[in-house]
Amino acid sequence: GESVGLHLPTLSVQEGDNSIINCAYSNSASDYFIWYKQESGKGPQFIIDIRSNMDKRQGQRVTVLLNKTVKHLSLQIAATQPGDSAVYFCAENMIEKLIFGSGTRLLVRP
Amino acid sequence: DTEVTQTPKHLVMGMTNKKSLKCEQHMGHRAMYWYKQKAKKPPELMFVYSYEKLSINESVPSRFSPECPNSSLLNLHLHALQPEDSALYLCASSQIGGGTEAFFGQGTRLTVV
Repeated sequence: GESVGLHLPTLSVQEGDNSIINCAYSNSASDYFIWYKQESGKGPQFIIDIRSNMDKRQGQRVTVLLNKTVKHLSLQIAATQPGDSAVYFCAENMIEKLIFGSGTRLLVRP
Repeated sequence: DTEVTQTPKHLVMGMTNKKSLKCEQHMGHRAMYWYKQKAKKPPELMFVYSYEKLSINESVPSRFSPECPNSSLLNLHLHALQPEDSALYLCASSQIGGGTEAFFGQGTRLTVV
């Protein structure tokens, strides 16, 4: 299905804490997932991806977890920094289409 | 070069105007995309081009007309737009077949007056 965003959920965290951003996806046939970061006035920027044959993938300070049973993705950011403040979108790949979830705004308190 | 370049960055146009948005990439990607993004919402897919051929049109009104003149360029021609078409228009590219990262441009902020 398509994402519907009437408002943007916000996660507020203290600088240095860990952040967890969640996403539910719609299509059980989706085989590839990406997390994007979007800062104000800019295009989405790739953070990390994961294929459906994996349940966890780690990058630098970021980890993505995939639970196919409940069609759920999460993005964990370790030691959150002010520069992490942005809107975060998960996206699912369905054949040629990349469909975005509704997004979460991350605010980092100094 | 992992850049997708969009021009112009900002555009204000009247409802009777004709304008074009341009997108360029030199990563050798053969899939290119147009997305529309309204404030506080996720990007919504409009068109997909594969090997310079239109492969997906997400029921976009005909006042938006895409064009892919070659493997590096993607245009979006605009005509007789409505104020509700005001949005950020994003171009992206990726390798064919999905399952790989899509690179996005910075977008064109369009205002229809």
